[in-house]
Amino acid sequence: QQPVQSPQAVILREGEDAVINCSSSKALYSVHWYRQKHGEAPVFLMILLKGGEQKGHDKISASFNEKKQQSSLYLTASQLSYSGTYFCGTEMTGPGTYKYIFGTGTRLKVLA
Amino acid sequence: DADVTQTPRNRITKTGKRIMLECSQTKGHDRMYWYRQDPGLGLRLIYYSFDVKDINKGEISDGYSVSRQAQAKFSLSLESAIPNQTALYFCATSARAGGIGELFFGEGSRLTVL
Repeated sequence: QQPVQSPQAVILREGEDAVINCSSSKALYSVHWYRQKHGEAPVFLMILLKGGEQKGHDKISASFNEKKQQSSLYLTASQLSYSGTYFCGTEMTGPGTYKYIFGTGTRLKVLA
Repeated sequence: DADVTQTPRNRITKTGKRIMLECSQTKGHDRMYWYRQDPGLGLRLIYYSFDVKDINKGEISDGYSVSRQAQAKFSLSLESAIPNQTALYFCATSARAGGIGELFFGEGSRLTVL
């Protein structure tokens, strides 16, 4: 049930771009993106609430394809500060149940 | 001061011991969560609570119990710790209005069970 993220890890040089994908086997109604730096707590980046919605946060943006049950995070002209592990998060609801669960994570390292 | 505070930050214990991890928040949020993080497995939901009288199991609740003592406090207990419960544990909160909102995390509690 846990959303699957790809790639699992990526190494970039400063200024390069990257795309992180989050795919779910179940319907997605909203997607959140978080970044966790080593030894720290995850920090919220953005939420996408509607299918097809796109949002931006500095040079980090995301899209949400409800039909494909996917979301993608785009990191443009990466900076050293972008290094960390990125997680997508989503609500999973069912009869009498609710869960807020996270994807498997993508480790991103930006080199000078 | 942090809005979501976890204690202890680090704990080493032995198999069979009872351990409690505590979480308190000053954000005034109704919803509180406990997650466990293991390398390569991301964050997995243990328990969540939408208010003081509403506590629910998450994905991996076996071996854990929780207590919501007040709106601001949510504790996680391991009644008899075992080595595969060695992990980094995070408490998180979110507001209720408008569906699920941003999760705010504590700094984490690293637990080692020998």
